[in-house]
Amino acid sequence: AQSVTQLGSHVSVSEGALVLLRCNYSSSVPPYLFWYVQYPNQGLQLLLKYTSAATLVKGINGFEAEFKKSETSFHLTKPSAHMSDAAEYFCAVSDVGTSYGKLTFGQGTILTVHP
Amino acid sequence: DGGITQSPKYLFRKEGQNVTLSCEQNLNHDAMYWYRQDPGQGLRLIYYSQIVNDFQKGDIAEGYSVSREKKESFPLTVTSAQKNPTAFYLCASRLQGAGWNTEAFFGQGTRLTVV
Repeated sequence: AQSVTQLGSHVSVSEGALVLLRCNYSSSVPPYLFWYVQYPNQGLQLLLKYTSAATLVKGINGFEAEFKKSETSFHLTKPSAHMSDAAEYFCAVSDVGTSYGKLTFGQGTILTVHP
Repeated sequence: DGGITQSPKYLFRKEGQNVTLSCEQNLNHDAMYWYRQDPGQGLRLIYYSQIVNDFQKGDIAEGYSVSREKKESFPLTVTSAQKNPTAFYLCASRLQGAGWNTEAFFGQGTRLTVV
């Protein structure tokens, strides 16, 4: 079964610093990968997705992620953190080539941004 | 406006009772999903459904049941067999796309508390 692992349940950065949230996937073939953001007591909002068109994917709010097959990684980055980026972030993987479209999420990473 | 509606937002259940969480979408999406969210455990898949009258167990289906009688509706019943039902429940929907390369859209969640 496909899975994702998010390294670091909590990440803390200063405002203006680089944000790096890590995601590694487990799959025998390159999967489809997604990053979502969740604010307290709300649903999830899509930040960006990788669907094999380009390895560097740009998303909303200045976030981007790079798919690296050799490292089975899809890390999320943002050059300069803003206070409004404080939230929980989830990496997700979608089954490829199956009938049922199972969508599996990682454990989540809580991002704290300090002034 | 198109979207996913979960109701109620807050739900209280007595020990031994069954409760049903509602999820409706008007996006004409094929697949629908139920996830359970607990602090530090990310989103865990309960059930998912690709088409009407068909659904698959996720990773933590025990103590839950679903139905998919209409494309736009995917209610979740939390039965008395679920020993620890207090959690935040999220419903999502998704177009099938080309081999499931599409993102999921989420409702705002239902917070269930056992009293």
